[in-house]
Amino acid sequence: DSGVTQTPKHLITATGQRVTLRCSPRSGDLSVYWYQQSLDQGLQFLIQYYNGEERAKGNILERFSAQQFPDLHSELNLSSLELGDSALYFCASSVEGTGNTIYFGEGSWLTVV
Amino acid sequence: AQSVTQLDSHVSVSEGTPVLLRCNYSSSYSPSLFWYVQHPNKGLQLLLKYTSAATLVKGINGFEAEFKKSETSFHLTKPSAHMSDAAEYFCVVSDRRLSGGYNKLIFGAGTRLAVHP
Repeated sequence: DSGVTQTPKHLITATGQRVTLRCSPRSGDLSVYWYQQSLDQGLQFLIQYYNGEERAKGNILERFSAQQFPDLHSELNLSSLELGDSALYFCASSVEGTGNTIYFGEGSWLTVV
Repeated sequence: AQSVTQLDSHVSVSEGTPVLLRCNYSSSYSPSLFWYVQHPNKGLQLLLKYTSAATLVKGINGFEAEFKKSETSFHLTKPSAHMSDAAEYFCVVSDRRLSGGYNKLIFGAGTRLAVHP
């Protein structure tokens, strides 16, 4: 158990809908990361937050947004969902920054039908 | 720019034989390097990491990796494969120059390890 908690574990929704994925980082970790893993794209970095502020942005679509709250939990919002958004979404956390180990949650499986 | 190349997309070994998963990296500066493992329908688990101390890094479950700067490699090895080692393995690089909370990981494409009886 990495200590990173993600909910929901599985989610099935229809195209055009909006979903919110939630992540609780390990106790004491200030950084939260979101990754998308799909069969065709592999593991893609989406976005990083550090102590409530956006720190780095990767291949995140404009239809997607994220935030980190004062209690350090984070949410990833996916809107206007398309079939191609079906993927495993990972949240990860680390104490601070570079060189620190990043610990991953077990992921949220999103299926768009 | 940083990049990671995992040289084999699939590796198949027999139980009890050695495992070698190859990884080459590209980084302008001294990197941090990691190996993560992903078992089916599971999250990513850290196997080991290199952050500039000893070049031979020992990880969990009998795995180890050697950082070779001259070859820009960080290959993962295990002397004797076990059936439970069957999984996908990711080599990852992070730029140690970054500060201020930045920590961008670059993942390799992954190597799927199959272990046969």
